[in-house]
Amino acid sequence: SYVLTQPPSVSVASGKTARITCGGKNVGDIRVHWYQQRPGQAPILVIYYDDDRPSGIPERFSGSNSGNTATLTISRAEAGDEADYYCQVWDKNSNHVVFGGGTKLTVL
Amino acid sequence: QVQLVESGGGVVQPGRSLRLSCTASGFSFSNFGMHWVRQTPGKGLEWVAFISDDGTKRYYADSVKGRFTLSRDNSKNTLSLQMNSLRAEDTAVFYCAKDALSETYYFQYWGQGTLVTVSS
Repeated sequence: SYVLTQPPSVSVASGKTARITCGGKNVGDIRVHWYQQRPGQAPILVIYYDDDRPSGIPERFSGSNSGNTATLTISRAEAGDEADYYCQVWDKNSNHVVFGGGTKLTVL
Repeated sequence: QVQLVESGGGVVQPGRSLRLSCTASGFSFSNFGMHWVRQTPGKGLEWVAFISDDGTKRYYADSVKGRFTLSRDNSKNTLSLQMNSLRAEDTAVFYCAKDALSETYYFQYWGQGTLVTVSS
C-alpha cells in the first residue's frame, strides 16, 4: 500500500519559517492534505488539495506538492504553532486513506 | 456550526464487541461522506473506515476489515461503528470525521473523540 514519510521532528526559531516534508512515490500526482493536532486536541485541517487554506487558517500556512515531496510551510512561526502535523492522501488503488507518521514541530 | 459528538467508548475485554456512535449537527448529514479515524495514545493517526453519503460505498482499513462494520442513519444524523473481536491493538481514541463533500476523502471537521480501551 501507499506510504507517506514525514520527519519525526522539526524545530524552528520563533519568527522564522518552518518546512515540514511529506515524501511519497509520485506524490505530486495526487492531492495532499495537512492537519494540525495540538496536545490533547482533535486534529484540524490546515491545508487541502495541496495548497488551499480553509477559512480561519492564517495565511502563514501554505502548501506545495511536486515530484516525490509535498511540503507544508509555516511562515513567521509562533509558539501557538507548536503541534503535531500530519499529511494525508487518498490511495485510489486500494481505496484507503493514508496518513504520514506525523511531525512534531517545536518553536524555539 | 458543525458538531460531531462521539459516544460509546469504554473498557472492553479482548474478543468482545463495542458499538461507537457519532451524532452530527450543523450540516446536511445525508449529503456528506463520513469517516472514523483512530489514534493510539502517543502515536499517529490511522484511518479506520469510510461510508458514502447514501451508505452504498464502504471502505475499511486492512487492520479492521471483517471485524468492524460502519453504518449510518440519515434520518437520525447518526454514524455507527460496530466493532467485533476486539484486540489490545484496537485501544485508541476514535474520532468521527466529516468528509469535505461526498467523496473527497479528506477531513473537513473532526469530533473530539471517544477512548476505547481493550484490556482484560
